[in-house]
Amino acid sequence: DQQVKQNSPSLSVQEGRISILNCDYTNSMFDYFLWYKKYPAEGPTFLISISSIKDKNEDGRFTVFLNKSAKHLSLHIVPSQPGDSAVYFCAASARSTNAGKSTFGDGTTLTVKP
Amino acid sequence: NAGVTQTPKFRVLKTGQSMTLLCAQDMNHEYMYWYRQDPGMGLRLIHYSVGEGTTAKGEVPDGYNVSRLKKQNFLLGLESAAPSQTSVYFCASSDYRDKTGETQYFGPGTRLLVL
Repeated sequence: DQQVKQNSPSLSVQEGRISILNCDYTNSMFDYFLWYKKYPAEGPTFLISISSIKDKNEDGRFTVFLNKSAKHLSLHIVPSQPGDSAVYFCAASARSTNAGKSTFGDGTTLTVKP
Repeated sequence: NAGVTQTPKFRVLKTGQSMTLLCAQDMNHEYMYWYRQDPGMGLRLIHYSVGEGTTAKGEVPDGYNVSRLKKQNFLLGLESAAPSQTSVYFCASSDYRDKTGETQYFGPGTRLLVL
């Protein structure tokens, strides 16, 4: 049973437009959510996070939205740039239990076309 | 700061051979993790450690062993490699004292091919 799902393996957008990456989770104990970005031949790097007590967190061009009732979060990138082309992983954590452990989705490959 | 480093970057093994992957971090983090990533899949946790001298099993621990003798190092061992262990291995660390203690810092990965 996959607890964190990213149902779109890939997404292609035009430079300057909005990119929306989606993530669904099933475990109600998850209370902290993160997005990581990964370039080829590199390790993932932290991008943005959100606690379950919030429904939105913004950092520059990146905004994460959380809908707890739907167990759904999304990452918005506006405007998208060619350098944003990468694999994006959604991750979820249950802070009360987990020694910092996170459960990761399978990733979405974003391609931003010039 | 080098952050998280991994040795080696790439290795080819024959079935049945053994090897150790080394992870080192210079951020004084308490928590360390080993993941594997297979094509089209996310990161799956193999083993983790919440401090020097401690280890615990993750999601896919079979066929692997780990040790955390020093706070800054986390070793992943394969005693008898199998082709199913062909993968990219990532090490990560995090610090519970951070306000976002779940944020993990990853190494560049070790690509392992088992023939």
